[in-house]
Amino acid sequence: AQTVTQSQPEMSVQEAETVTLSCTYDTSESDYYLFWYKQPPSRQMILVIRQEAYKQQNATENRFSVNFQKAAKSFSLKISDSQLGDAAMYFCAYRRQDRDDKIIFGKGTRLHILP
Amino acid sequence: EPEVTQTPSHQVTQMGQEVILRCVPISNHLYFYWYRQILGQKVEFLVSFYNNEISEKSEIFDDQFSVERPDGSNFTLKIRSTKLEDSAMYFCASSLGGYTEAFFGQGTRLTVV
Repeated sequence: AQTVTQSQPEMSVQEAETVTLSCTYDTSESDYYLFWYKQPPSRQMILVIRQEAYKQQNATENRFSVNFQKAAKSFSLKISDSQLGDAAMYFCAYRRQDRDDKIIFGKGTRLHILP
Repeated sequence: EPEVTQTPSHQVTQMGQEVILRCVPISNHLYFYWYRQILGQKVEFLVSFYNNEISEKSEIFDDQFSVERPDGSNFTLKIRSTKLEDSAMYFCASSLGGYTEAFFGQGTRLTVV
């Protein structure tokens, strides 16, 4: 069974600094997707970034980028120039590349931004 | 921008009562999901739905849960006889297919008293 592990329950970063959130996953599949979702205090789930496993190039979305290491099954999220609005719970998630497969979430990392 | 809409945003119900949580997925999406997040815990898959039938369900999705797409636009989750442990945030999601991401609604906070 696929699993997603986030080993950092909480992290803090100074505003304008860079922070990296870690995620590892376990799967026997070769084709899959990885995501980072942000959950602010409103508790809405917002997609931050997505990575297709077949792509070697790391995904980037403005200040958000990932370091995808397929062999190591590692998928970290880097947030550059952290802003107060980045404070949220961040979930790493996995989805098998299949017609309608479910998303499997990690337990989340709560990110605090220090002014 | 199209979005998934859930109603109500917050529902309080008495233990043993039936509740229906409603979702309007993005209009051209074909795959629909319900997830649950107990406060402070991770988001858990409940059920996926495609072509008017359940594709997959988790062990959480027992006989007291059911889903329905009654009119081609709404997607509902019914809990027949609520328990205290059903208190959670319930998220609806939809996607165009397995090769795209799922979009989540803003959630319904269910409180069972």
